[in-house]
Amino acid sequence: AQSVTQLGSHVSVSEGALVLLRCNYSSSVPPYLFWYVQYPNQGLQLLLKYTTGATLVKGINGFEAEFKKSETSFHLTKPSAHMSDAAEYFCAVSDDTGRRALTFGSGTRLQVQP
Amino acid sequence: DTAVSQTPKYLVTQMGNDKSIKCEQNLGHDTMYWYKQDSKKFLKIMFSYNNKELIINETVPNRFSPKSPDKAHLNLHINSLELGDSAVYFCASRASGGEGETQYFGPGTRLLVL
Repeated sequence: AQSVTQLGSHVSVSEGALVLLRCNYSSSVPPYLFWYVQYPNQGLQLLLKYTTGATLVKGINGFEAEFKKSETSFHLTKPSAHMSDAAEYFCAVSDDTGRRALTFGSGTRLQVQP
Repeated sequence: DTAVSQTPKYLVTQMGNDKSIKCEQNLGHDTMYWYKQDSKKFLKIMFSYNNKELIINETVPNRFSPKSPDKAHLNLHINSLELGDSAVYFCASRASGGEGETQYFGPGTRLLVL
């Protein structure tokens, strides 16, 4: 069974500061990994994903994440936070069957202080 | 052009009632999903259909019944609603091949059972 752990249910940063949201996963096979963002009262929007190939993946809105197999991690970063980045962020792993159901972490709420 | 749409967006109803939520995607995808997001924002897979065939049926009360009349539509019918069914229900879709790892989510249906 796969699982995802997001350390820190709330993260607060100042505008312009580095954003680091942590995600660790467990999977018996090479995983497909995703970061989704959820703004208040909205659906989930894909930020970025790792499937194969380059382990540093870039996404929308200046976010990027690095797949580290040895650490079973897929942390999300952004060099400089904007007020508009305030949202809930979810890390997810896709199952290793053709069904591809997503197993989500518990989410991290990012607050950006002016 | 909305890729994945859900109706209704909000649903307030009494315990014991029966209600349906509808989902439509215009992406040409052949796999669709229902996820439930509880009050703590935790997201969990409920069902999935591939080309009108049920492929995922997680441990969900049998009061919940999905139906897929065609591959562009996936509906969720809930009988005898209970307080604990209050949640946000998200529909998602995915292509089978190519960029088939990515699930695209609808805006959600916020169900409140009184």
